Amino acid sequence: NAGVTQTPKFQVLKTGQSMTLQCAQDMNHEYMSWYRQDPGMGLRLIHYSVGAGITDQGEVPNGYNVSRSTTEDFPLRLLSAAPSQTSVYFCASSYSLALSGNTIYFGEGSWLTVV
Amino acid sequence: AQSVTQLDSQVPVFEEAPVELRCNYSSSVSVYLFWYVQYPNQGLQLLLKYLSGSTLVKGINGFEAEFNKSQTSFHLRKPSVHISDTAEYFCAVSETKKIIFGKGTRLHILP
Repeated sequence: NAGVTQTPKFQVLKTGQSMTLQCAQDMNHEYMSWYRQDPGMGLRLIHYSVGAGITDQGEVPNGYNVSRSTTEDFPLRLLSAAPSQTSVYFCASSYSLALSGNTIYFGEGSWLTVV
Repeated sequence: AQSVTQLDSQVPVFEEAPVELRCNYSSSVSVYLFWYVQYPNQGLQLLLKYLSGSTLVKGINGFEAEFNKSQTSFHLRKPSVHISDTAEYFCAVSETKKIIFGKGTRLHILP
């Protein structure tokens, strides 16, 4: 059981480039989300999805797009990378649509540097 | 909206000493509270959670937390820390569609 798998683990981008961070889970979880982690800021929610075809914005959605065409996958797209998007990105998933009280499972993170 | 405040950004403690990491939350409805741990260069993993019932919750690695509704707190404790407890600890509160995390407390274990 692989859990939540993120790729790539490390990436360097030039300003203005676009890229996609991949996230897949094999636990048949309805809920998936993307967070970014910055020093002193904790984890901030970028986008989340409560099921295939349904996505919504979190606290810091600007500059990012998501889609959820299957239950398993939830890619995060950076449309035109900026140095402010240098961060560690975590994908997470949970079983229940209602989420409340259910454990969230995290991927191991993707370190992104924009130069 | 719900929010979480972790009162200390860093906590140094000597090995084998007790530790308390503080967390306060704000919420107008029933809450579900969590503590997650992040070891260096890894993702977060669940330490423990409070859903209902007993206010003292026991988790993995000897950690426990106490839910105090009147003080809106959910402090994490361990009676004797080890060097392997070096990590960042996050308190979190869940809403219907998202989890709100605190900014984290970095636990430094001193030899």
